[in-house]
Amino acid sequence: DAKTTQPTSMDCAEGRAANLPCNHSTISGNEYVYWYRQIHSQGPQYIIHGLKNNETNEMASLIITEDRKSSTLILPHATLRDTAVYYCIVRPLTGTASKLTFGTGTRLQVTL
Amino acid sequence: GAGVSQTPSNKVTEKGKYVELRCDPISGHTALYWYRQSLGQGPEFLIYFQGTGAADDSGLPNDRFFAVRPEGSVSTLKIQRTERGDSAVYLCASSLRALDEQFFGPGTRLTVL
Repeated sequence: DAKTTQPTSMDCAEGRAANLPCNHSTISGNEYVYWYRQIHSQGPQYIIHGLKNNETNEMASLIITEDRKSSTLILPHATLRDTAVYYCIVRPLTGTASKLTFGTGTRLQVTL
Repeated sequence: GAGVSQTPSNKVTEKGKYVELRCDPISGHTALYWYRQSLGQGPEFLIYFQGTGAADDSGLPNDRFFAVRPEGSVSTLKIQRTERGDSAVYLCASSLRALDEQFFGPGTRLTVL
């Protein structure tokens, strides 16, 4: 599976947009970009995923560059409850490759 | 509806003992996963079940670790002769089908003294 690189930590003021970058320069054509987050003492929570088009849902937007080598997760109006570790994961959607390979993620701290 | 549940939430045991950790997936989910998470690290894949069978057990660290899912729903992760290095949070996840989004339980925190 392709490796991802994320900043270790980021801060964001409440009410502002949080933009979390992810580098996945070795991504291959059949691999999707997934984002999960993990709030303290809870299991990871799915946020969004995409292949090459930008995606938006009720939680966030995912912007994938045209060459697919990087992406940005956008939380449009961050709240204190968005404080968590955010994981960018590259995952092939073929065969039996069902597992998620987590890195160390970005620790997002939302402040007043 | 109910999410993924895991029992116990905390387990403290002594080195050398046997432990069982239980996972109740979301009803109807055919795929079930076990991960473990050490402090400051992301979750690490252990094993994946599709139905009753283990489709991928490549993450099990050694033969002290074993998991079953006999009826295709509840799963039990079994650890023999526990070691201090087994201390971690053990997470279970399920998905409707193999490549769908995974829903995680709250985890079982295992401490081996």
